[in-house]
Amino acid sequence: QVQLQQSGAELVKPGSSVKISCKASGYTFTSYDMHWIKQQPGNGLEWIGWIYPGNGNTKYNQKFNGKATLTADKSSSTAYMQLSSLTSEDSAVYFCARGNNYLFDYWGQGVMVTVSS
Amino acid sequence: DIVMTQGVLPNPVPSGESASITCRSSKSLVYKDGKTYLNWFLQRPGQSPQLLTYWMSTRASGVSDRFSGSGSGTYFTLKISRVRAEDAGVYYCQQVREYPLTFGSGTKLEIK
Repeated sequence: QVQLQQSGAELVKPGSSVKISCKASGYTFTSYDMHWIKQQPGNGLEWIGWIYPGNGNTKYNQKFNGKATLTADKSSSTAYMQLSSLTSEDSAVYFCARGNNYLFDYWGQGVMVTVSS
Repeated sequence: DIVMTQGVLPNPVPSGESASITCRSSKSLVYKDGKTYLNWFLQRPGQSPQLLTYWMSTRASGVSDRFSGSGSGTYFTLKISRVRAEDAGVYYCQQVREYPLTFGSGTKLEIK
């Protein structure tokens, strides 16, 4: 069965960076996009971008250019998102989701990132 | 960016009744292939969102036939028939017609 297992919660300082992971299993990792979505407390969902692990191609929401960097490791079937120059506005839950022709059909459990000094 | 605007439900909805959730897009979501690129999700409390329907009206695998999507190019409705306690949560519409992909702000459904 398809599973997306995300890394644990992070408490990070303002100005630092954080890298969170999403390990895929149960399907061919290199054949589907992996999307990343942000959800701030009590707020809705915001699309960050996607990566196609098969060739490393990426597409970002312009709002997150310079903030988020998406990578993927084919050998471990793991997608990563690095967030840089963190501020309180980056405190949120971050989800990965498999993109099946733009159908977000499987989601990870989410990673809470808290930016605080 | 395409703005997605969702309606509000008159909560709580009595169990067994129907509920209709609306979503409006600032631009037509019909692509040249004739498909309407509108998805619906349900996020139950403390859980990840779950895909309910895609291409406006196609139910995702394993989703109850109590959920049905309909609409035009810019106005959409998700109807839930015979609501149950398990249907409670926040419903989101999402457009995947063009970048950046955008979601509505969510519609909360409470069950009585």
